[in-house]
Amino acid sequence: SQTIHQWPATLVQPVGSPLSLECTVEGTSNPNLYWYRQAAGRGLQLLFYSVGIGQISSEVPQNLSASRPQDRQFILSSKKLLLSDSGFYLCACRASAQETQYFGPGTRLLVL
Amino acid sequence: DAKTTQPPSMDCAEGRAANLPCNHSTISGNEYVYWYRQIHSQGPQYIIHGLKNNETNEMASLIITEDRKSSTLILPHATLRDTAVYYCIVRGYSTLTFGKGTMLLVSP
Repeated sequence: SQTIHQWPATLVQPVGSPLSLECTVEGTSNPNLYWYRQAAGRGLQLLFYSVGIGQISSEVPQNLSASRPQDRQFILSSKKLLLSDSGFYLCACRASAQETQYFGPGTRLLVL
Repeated sequence: DAKTTQPPSMDCAEGRAANLPCNHSTISGNEYVYWYRQIHSQGPQYIIHGLKNNETNEMASLIITEDRKSSTLILPHATLRDTAVYYCIVRGYSTLTFGKGTMLLVSP
């Protein structure tokens, strides 16, 4: 079964600073990868998903971007963070031969 | 993807069965019913999923009505560690759409 790593676990950044969150997956090849955000007290919102290297679909317009430079690496970025970017960012993976998405431990981002 | 309706909160005594309902009246024939839970400050944890038949695994049982318009997640012997937000999701092609879920509080 796949293992999903996310780092850092927590991050405090000033408004206007750049952001890079990394997600890596072990134990599977050619997975579908997803980035979700959960704002405080709210449900999970799908931000991006990727079906392969260099293939990114954006679900909502926003201040963030995603990239998939390698098969099992998914990166979430921003050039200039906003206060509203604060939240709990979750990476998820669905193996190509499976139906189920599994989630990583998440990164908690606080923008001040 | 079809929408789901869940009660915002439920209470359950430790050791008793927790039955969490979910309505998904607009579900279509090829959509699965998925259940996840999220313990505070952690990523969502997959519990179980099903299409038509009832399903059981080491964590829970999933009962889907014959018309597939509703389902119930059953935790047979709830423990304090089962306190979490439980999400019922109807999954279409690829993505999951999370609602607000049910906050289950298991008390001693």
